This record gives sequence, C-alpha cells and structure tokens, in this order.
Amino acid sequence: DAKTTQPNSMESNEEEPVHLPCNHSTISGTDYIHWYRQLPSQGPEYVIHGLTSNVNNRMASLAIAEDRKSSTLILHRATLRDAAVYYCILRIYNQGGKLIFGQGTELSVKP
Amino acid sequence: EAGVAQSPRYKIIEKRQSVAFWCNPISGHATLYWYQQILGQGPKLLIQFQNNGVVDDSQLPKDRFSAERLKGVDSTLKIQPAKLEDSAVYLCASSPDTHTGELFFGEGSRLTVL
Repeated sequence: DAKTTQPNSMESNEEEPVHLPCNHSTISGTDYIHWYRQLPSQGPEYVIHGLTSNVNNRMASLAIAEDRKSSTLILHRATLRDAAVYYCILRIYNQGGKLIFGQGTELSVKP
Repeated sequence: EAGVAQSPRYKIIEKRQSVAFWCNPISGHATLYWYQQILGQGPKLLIQFQNNGVVDDSQLPKDRFSAERLKGVDSTLKIQPAKLEDSAVYLCASSPDTHTGELFFGEGSRLTVL
C-alpha cells in the first residue's frame, strides 16, 4: 500500500498560518492526494484533495511538489476549532480508489 | 443534504456476544466503506463496496466479521463472536466517485467489549 509520512504533532498559535507537511515518495501517477481531519469523538472530515496542481478551497490550500513526492496542507489563519488530527492520504486509483489512513499529525492551536 | 447516518452510536457487549452496526450512505453514493478505528490510531479499512458488490475485503477478519450491502444502499456490519480487541469505533463512509473524489464519513459507532 502506498504510504504517507507525517510528523506526529505540531503546534500553532491562533490566527497564524500553519503548514502541515506530508511525504509520499511511493505515489503513482494516478493517485490523488487527500487530506482529512478528525476532531475528538467525530468521524473524519474532508479538507481538500489534488492530483498535480495546487488547490484552494474555503478551508485550506494544498501545495503539491513538482515531483508529487510531498505535499503541504496550509491553513491560512489557524483558529482554536482547527485543533484536530490531520491525515494525509493517497487515494489509490489502481486499487479501487481506497483510502489507507496513517497516524496523522495532531495539531494543537494556542490562543 | 443529509449526511452518512450510522446506528447505534454506542454499544456495550460482553465478549463472545454478537453485534450489528447499520449505515445509511448519502443518497446516490455508489461506493461505501467500513473502517475500524482503535483508540489512538488512524482508521483501518475493513471493506469497500461498489453498489452491492465487494471491491476490497482483504482486511476484514472473515472468521468473525461480515458485511453486506443489499440493494446497493444501506449496509450492515456484523461481529460474531466479539473479542476484547474489537473494542473500537466503526466508521462508515460513502463516496459518489470510485477512484478520485472525497469521502463523507458518519459519526461512527463506538463498541466496547467487556
């Protein structure tokens, strides 16, 4: 299974930008890069996904390296509600599009 | 738009008993997933359905777990008999797209096996 590597934890200050890194050196050309986050006692929530180009939506931005072996999730202004576990996942096209979660990065936000 | 519905939210049973979890995906979503999330870990994929057919069940412990998706809509995940190590949150997710787009998760069903 295609794997991703993320730091176990990160800390941020409220209202500052946050850059969450992810390495996925075994990615294949048809795999999409997905980010989800999970708040305590809730199911994972979709954040953003992309294939090759950088992507923006109302929640975040996704910056994808030119060789696609790494990506960065950018939260432009962290709020206390952004404290969660963030998962970087590859959606594996040639395995039926399944998502294999890793351990994720636990983000804490300080006021 | 209604989200993915799961029930029950909480269930406590004794080991060797059986339990069933139900999932109603978002209307029109062809792909349905069951994940198991043990405390402190990321979700682990158990089974993936495309309509009412199984796409991947390689991580499903088939000696005790079973899942079905009759008529390609609702799905049921059953554990019989339960073991202590089955204590976890069981998450259901659905997607309109097989390979590329986002998954929508339910809130999960928390199982405690005593």
